[in-house]
This record gives sequence, structure tokens and C-alpha cells, in this order.
Amino acid sequence: KAGVTQTPRYLIKTRGQQVTLSCSPISGHRSVSWYQQTPGQGLQFLFEYFSETQRNKGNFPGRFSGRQFSNSRSEMNVSTLELGDSALYLCASTWDPAVSYEQYFGPGTRLTVT
Amino acid sequence: GENVEQHPSTLSVQEGDSAVIKCTYSDSASNYFPWYKQELGKGPQLIIDIRSNVGEKKDQRIAVTLNKTAKHFSLHITETQPEDSAVYFCAASWFGNEKLTFGTGTRLTIIP
Repeated sequence: KAGVTQTPRYLIKTRGQQVTLSCSPISGHRSVSWYQQTPGQGLQFLFEYFSETQRNKGNFPGRFSGRQFSNSRSEMNVSTLELGDSALYLCASTWDPAVSYEQYFGPGTRLTVT
Repeated sequence: GENVEQHPSTLSVQEGDSAVIKCTYSDSASNYFPWYKQELGKGPQLIIDIRSNVGEKKDQRIAVTLNKTAKHFSLHITETQPEDSAVYFCAASWFGNEKLTFGTGTRLTIIP
């Protein structure tokens, strides 16, 4: 079974631009969570989607948004990019949060904002 | 909200020896504690986890222990090998909540 895939793997953007990152969960998994990883703040939870609904949200500004499609694939969008948004963005999938705890991570998208 | 502290931040161990990484959590509602291994250029890989109704869990050379009263849990790696070198993260959450709160990570180096 294929793991979590994320595209693109690397991205360079300029301040003020917006960016969309994509995540395909493990086949059959219905929940997708997004995390930001930086050297200074570590791994921080952004949001979680299940059945196309955002169920949980971390402490990030409204510039960070996401969505989930009917096939469980998810995208996250960051608008008006700032230098501090440079990070590794990770998504993780869970089979069914009602019965399963385990979250499996993808390789991440490395975003650099210049 | 939940706060997870992890120690040490770096750990060097001779190949074949054991390594122990410790974490404490603050929210008594947390009942799920996974450990992740992250190698350079890769995403975190789930290596073992424990639920609060269990005190210890073992998988070959890796074991995790949980003390609910003291709110701390530990990762034990025995007979360490060079491929164990990586950054290890502990995390905590509660069932039904997909938000994992992570520790700050431990960079483990195995010295051949």
C-alpha cells in the first residue's frame, strides 16, 4: 500500500504570494492533518479534516487554510506569504479517527519564502 | 492546552548500548502517546505508541513505558545500531482528537 504523498516536495515563493500544497492520504484513510515544522517552533498542528469538514484547528492566522475533497485528498493554502512561513509542511493521515489513533506522515513539502 | 517536554535534546550512545529518551505531558486527559523517528529529508515515521490503559509496550529492540500518575513516558532502544541515528519525537493526544502535541525532539547519534 502506498504511503502518504505530498506535492510538490520543494517550493520557493516570494513574500506576498500565495501557495497551495497537496496531500494524498494512504488509500482508505479518511482523516488528514497538517503540521508545520520549523527549527525554532518544532512540529505544530495546523488543522485536521475528516469527511471534507475541518474538525480541529491550531493557533495559526487565517492566512492558513485548507480543504478536503470527497476522495480524502487535501490541500492547504497560505496566502500573503511571510518570511516566517518558511518551513517543512507535513501532512498525516489516519484511517478512521473513531477507531484508530495512528497518524502516518508524508515526506513533507519544503517551502522557502524569499 | 497540552504541553510536552522532551529530554535530552541530544544523546550520543556507543553502538550496542541502550538509549533512553524521556517525555512529560501536562494534560491528564491525554491518553495516546506515539513516538516518531525522523531521518534527514524525510517525514516522521511512527515507530511505537502506547495508550493510557497500558503501562509498557515492546516491539523487538524498542519499548515504551508510561507512568500516568507522574505524567511521563519514555522510549527505550536496546542494542543500538548505526541506523538508529535520527531525531526522535514524542507526542501526546487524546482519543478522538487528531491534534498531536509534540516534544522538541532528541537527536540520537550512535557511535560505531
